[in-house]
Amino acid sequence: DTAVSQTPKYLVTQMGNDKSIKCEQNLGHDTMYWYKQDSKKFLKIMFSYNNKELIINETVPNRFSPKSPDKAHLNLHINSLELGDSAVYFCASSQGGTNNEQYFGPGTRLTVT
Amino acid sequence: AQSVTQLGSHVSVSEGALVLLRCNYSSSVPPYLFWYVQYPNQGLQLLLKYTTGATLVKGINGFEAEFKKSETSFHLTKPSAHMSDAAEYFCAVTRRNTNAGKSTFGDGTTLTVKP
Repeated sequence: DTAVSQTPKYLVTQMGNDKSIKCEQNLGHDTMYWYKQDSKKFLKIMFSYNNKELIINETVPNRFSPKSPDKAHLNLHINSLELGDSAVYFCASSQGGTNNEQYFGPGTRLTVT
Repeated sequence: AQSVTQLGSHVSVSEGALVLLRCNYSSSVPPYLFWYVQYPNQGLQLLLKYTTGATLVKGINGFEAEFKKSETSFHLTKPSAHMSDAAEYFCAVTRRNTNAGKSTFGDGTTLTVKP
């Protein structure tokens, strides 16, 4: 069973469109994250939810909106896509508290044309 | 605020040679320390971590790292590189006693292994 899964794996879309990426974890973790990895492999945290509550909200355009319907799911919706949004987006989860080892999903490669 | 510096964005070694990937952190108190590996077109996976106790930590695939508080370092080593070790490696730190669980990642080091 896949621990952290994301759909879709690839997403190609045009500028101005709205798209969503879904993430699910079956590890029973309390905390989930969204990261953006650019073409230089730099990894930047975007959001984090703990038990459906937003706890980390980095400087991200408000076109990006996370939503956590339950603690096993964290979705990312992006409005009015721009060329600069092209990247690989990773979902991750961890058990909160002192042990913060994170488990990453396989990533969603978003290409905006 | 905490930060992580990985010295050397690219490291190239010959198969069978020692692997040394450097990581230094800046934090007001010693953080929890992690090394992750990312193989091509995959997500990150944990190699090893230091939380408390013994400062020499052994991980998967023959990797180990040593926490040196005096040097604020957590360098990753492997005695003998294998072709399959070619990947991107990330050092990360997390502040202790936090429920937010925010990790700060280094910029990554690309390891190339030559035959």
